[in-house]
Amino acid sequence: GQQLNQSPQSMFIQEGEDVSMNCTSSSIFNTWLWYKQEPGEGPVLLIALYKAGELTSNGRLTAQFGITRKDSFLNISASIPSDVGIYFCAGLNTDKLIFGTGTRLQVFP
Amino acid sequence: GAVVSQHPSRVICKSGTSVKIECRSLDFQATTMFWYRQFPKQSLMLMATSNEGSKATYEQGVEKDKFLINHASLTLSTLTVTSAHPEDSSFYICSALQGARVNQPQHFGDGTRLSIL
Repeated sequence: GQQLNQSPQSMFIQEGEDVSMNCTSSSIFNTWLWYKQEPGEGPVLLIALYKAGELTSNGRLTAQFGITRKDSFLNISASIPSDVGIYFCAGLNTDKLIFGTGTRLQVFP
Repeated sequence: GAVVSQHPSRVICKSGTSVKIECRSLDFQATTMFWYRQFPKQSLMLMATSNEGSKATYEQGVEKDKFLINHASLTLSTLTVTSAHPEDSSFYICSALQGARVNQPQHFGDGTRLSIL
């Protein structure tokens, strides 16, 4: 099935560093979502973006919906150990979610 | 916030067994639920869309006779993996759409890890 390209594939950073990851698609989406998944659990919604160009923050997280509607990025500022997990972008048209390939984040104290 | 409960969280069974997984929306009605499969270190792949009161819509390559979906009420969808084999071992995750609005985020269950021996 279709997937969105997400980069980087994995990141190993020191606590306190900022993180940036992005997601690109060959198709246009009406809504972009960012989820975090921890081992053995389902994805948890972090941020939802509904308009092209929209920039939205949720605490230390900031995400933007690209102007072309084919990309999005997620930034995490001042990372902490509990930020560890896999971050997925997802594009949504009507009801169907298409997930990105994921970015695995490791944070070292 | 909206909560989706999935049961069981883990199943280990012999090859040839049929396994039923339940997905419940706890504090909202969900006319549409989704079933995903996730293999180790991979992303979530949509298997089927479960519609209350009607037949499920399956994604290309997903066998509808192998993965039976029933969405008999506004709060419950079930996925039955029939005659499961080792290659069916995976993490199965459901999600639910709150209300009938389009382009709204889905709420995910905590997944069911299925291991077929």
